[in-house]
Amino acid sequence: EVQLVESGGGLVKPGGSLRLSCAASGFTFSDYSLNWVRHAPGKGLEWVSSISGSTSYIFYADSVKGRFTISRDNAKNSLSLQMNSLRAEDTAVYYCARDSGVSWSFDYWGQGTLVTVSS
Amino acid sequence: QSALTQPASVSGSPGQSITISCTGTSSDVGSYNLVSWYQQHPGKAPKFMIYGVSERPSGVSNRFSGSKSGNTASLTISGLQADDEADYYCSSYAGSRIRWVFGGGTKLTVL
Repeated sequence: EVQLVESGGGLVKPGGSLRLSCAASGFTFSDYSLNWVRHAPGKGLEWVSSISGSTSYIFYADSVKGRFTISRDNAKNSLSLQMNSLRAEDTAVYYCARDSGVSWSFDYWGQGTLVTVSS
Repeated sequence: QSALTQPASVSGSPGQSITISCTGTSSDVGSYNLVSWYQQHPGKAPKFMIYGVSERPSGVSNRFSGSKSGNTASLTISGLQADDEADYYCSSYAGSRIRWVFGGGTKLTVL
């Protein structure tokens, strides 16, 4: 069974940093691109970042480019998101989502971890 | 404001059919047959329901179907059941720079 479990969320002050993690199991981790998608209160979902299985391809949404860094450890089946210079508008539930490899869709998601940026 | 526009809420009675629309632009929904739909129950992870506009992943009921016309995609749920009550989100590929866009979500209430 495919499982994605996020951790690392919490309360952080504006300008601060936080590192999110996603532990994966139930599939060959290095075969799949992975993504971070966030859901801010009262808003729709927003794609944040993606990384290919080999880490050769990394992409960011304009809203986080230069502040967030995605990475993965294929030996540990782990995905990470380093978030720096956090802003109030980064407040959201952050989901780890697996790229299905078909038609630009996400076939498995974690339950999310809440990041709150507030003074 | 989300890139794709969905109605905030829809409702239907058990056994009825409902349709949720997802309106984008010629840069996303209108340009690519790469619309997907996700179901999310409160406190749960989103579930993959539709991809490629109208394809169902293995295990998803055939009561769920998708379609597209121009810049608007639609999700239809037939034979409504109580467990269908959830939030539904659409998504579309939007080109190599933006990559993915999502809708604001639609809350389905089964009366």
